[in-house]
Amino acid sequence: EDQVTQSPEALRLQEGESSSLNCSYTVSGLRGLFWYRQDPGKGPEFLFTLYSAGEEKEKERLKATLTKKESFLHITAPKPEDSATYLCAVDTGGGNKLTFGTGTQLKVEL
Amino acid sequence: EAGVTQFPSHSVIEKGQTVTLRCDPISGHDNLYWYRRVMGKEIKFLLHFVKESKQDESGMPNNRFLAERTGGTYSTLKVQPAELEDSGVYFCASSQRQSVGEKLFFGSGTQLSVL
Repeated sequence: EDQVTQSPEALRLQEGESSSLNCSYTVSGLRGLFWYRQDPGKGPEFLFTLYSAGEEKEKERLKATLTKKESFLHITAPKPEDSATYLCAVDTGGGNKLTFGTGTQLKVEL
Repeated sequence: EAGVTQFPSHSVIEKGQTVTLRCDPISGHDNLYWYRRVMGKEIKFLLHFVKESKQDESGMPNNRFLAERTGGTYSTLKVQPAELEDSGVYFCASSQRQSVGEKLFFGSGTQLSVL
């Protein structure tokens, strides 16, 4: 059975303090690894899709990387508006049937 | 562009009652998905429609859950009769294609509480 484990469960950063979130996965065949951001009371919002080990993608202060066993979401010089829950998910069977992790709740303080 | 709309945003019902959740996908999106998150757990897949047809319903927990997508537009998810363990947030998502890596657009969810 496919498994996705995210760590830490919660992370508190000061504004400008860079850090990384981890997503470890055990799957039968990875077709895509996704990062989503979720704000309170909202649905997940797409950030990135990564397909193969060594791939990297960036968006503003966020950079996602992928290895054969895990993915990292690096946050550089975060701002309070980056506070959210970050979700990792994998697609192994196609058709966008995603297996999600439980998320990392990020809080960025002034 | 209007996003994915879900109704109601919250529903509180008693065990044994029936509840119907509705999802309006983004116009033109043939693919519609239902996911749910129960307390403290991860978001889990329930089912996938392509237009009006069920492509994959492997995540539906049992036959108390019935999903429909009439005319390939909006979708409903009915729970009958509701049980305590059905409480959680039900998300609907849509996408234009079902190709690998296609991003899903999620609605804000329906918070269902079964008492």
